[in-house]
Amino acid sequence: AQSVTQLGSHVSVSEGALVLLRCNYSSSVPPYLFWYVQYPNQGLQLLLKYTSAATLVKGINGFEAEFKKSETSFHLTKPSAHMSDAAEYFCAVSDPASSSASKIIFGSGTRLSIRP
Amino acid sequence: SQTIHQWPATLVQPVGSPLSLECTVEGTSNPNLYWYRQAAGRGLQLLFYSVGIGQISSEVPQNLSASRPQDRQFILSSKKLLLSDSGFYLCAWSGQGVSPLHFGNGTRLTVT
Repeated sequence: AQSVTQLGSHVSVSEGALVLLRCNYSSSVPPYLFWYVQYPNQGLQLLLKYTSAATLVKGINGFEAEFKKSETSFHLTKPSAHMSDAAEYFCAVSDPASSSASKIIFGSGTRLSIRP
Repeated sequence: SQTIHQWPATLVQPVGSPLSLECTVEGTSNPNLYWYRQAAGRGLQLLFYSVGIGQISSEVPQNLSASRPQDRQFILSSKKLLLSDSGFYLCAWSGQGVSPLHFGNGTRLTVT
């Protein structure tokens, strides 16, 4: 069975500082991995996805994530935080061999706060 | 381009009343459709998914049900709401195979 763990339910960084949101996964097969962002009272928006191509994935809004098989990690980073980055971030994992229904498993989320 | 519409945005219902939340997708055919619930401060819980008209899979036993009367329409229902049904309900669609989910803007349901 697959699972995903997000370390830290709340992360606070200063504006302009590095953003690092941690995600570790458990999967018996090479997984597909996703990061989503959720702004207050809105749905989730896809930030980036890893589907077994390049291990460093670039997404929207200056975010990127690196797939590290040896560490079973897929941490999300951004070099310089902006106030508009304040939101909830979700890591998700899916088995590429799943049936046609894409059953994506979500982590519990990390709330990112940006200090002025 | 594809769009997903979900309504209403907010809803306040008394305990024991019925529920109907609707979701429609435009710009794609034969999507996989999903209903998720997000409780306050918690992650997403998959409630139902559908791979085609009339085909519904339930992930969590509860007093909610889902239906897919048309290819791009997905409805979440309840005959009698419970207090524990309060939460943020999200509809989503994906293409075939393992592809990313695309979410609607959600419905904030408060059961009083």
